[in-house]
Amino acid sequence: KQEVTQIPAALSVPEGENLVLNCSFTDSAIYNLQWFRQDPGKGLTSLLLIQSSQREQTSGRLNASLDKSSGRSTLYIAASQPGDSATYLCAVGSFQGAQKLVFGQGTRLTINP
Amino acid sequence: KAGVTQTPRYLIKTRGQQVTLSCSPISGHRSVSWYQQTPGQGLQFLFEYFSETQRNKGNFPGRFSGRQFSNSRSEMNVSTLELGDSALYLCASSLEGQRGTEAFFGQGTRLTVV
Repeated sequence: KQEVTQIPAALSVPEGENLVLNCSFTDSAIYNLQWFRQDPGKGLTSLLLIQSSQREQTSGRLNASLDKSSGRSTLYIAASQPGDSATYLCAVGSFQGAQKLVFGQGTRLTINP
Repeated sequence: KAGVTQTPRYLIKTRGQQVTLSCSPISGHRSVSWYQQTPGQGLQFLFEYFSETQRNKGNFPGRFSGRQFSNSRSEMNVSTLELGDSALYLCASSLEGQRGTEAFFGQGTRLTVV
């Protein structure tokens, strides 16, 4: 059974810092990994999708890497801004089903002005 | 291009009642998945529909059911509501439902059972 863990559970940093969020998964047989952000009481916004054959993806100030063999992914946020404050979730798509995503518990990020 | 639309946004129901939630996927998307989000359990997969067929199901009791229509819109039904069913219900759509395609989520329906 695939399990996804995100560390830390919460993170508070001053504005302008570069930061890394971590995601680990127990079964390396994945199709893809997707990073989302969730604002309080809202739905999920897709940030980056990494296919199993890829090592990283970049979008603006965000960079996500994937190391299937070690069961890890990182989300790097450069030059953090208060608007980046949200909960960040990673989810893996496994062989168990085409669109059955297994989610981590998330990292609650606070960027202090 | 409109995103995933879920209705209603908020619901308050009494224990024992039943409820139906609706999800309209992004135009052209044929796969719709449903998830339950609670503070204790996080996001958990309920089921996925593709071309009107349930293709995958999570570990939820039979009180949770769904269906998909020919226009890809999907509904989720919960019968005999329990207090523990209070949660944010999210649906996601993807283009072809193949492994590896990006999932796009709606804003969710907040269900409160009293």
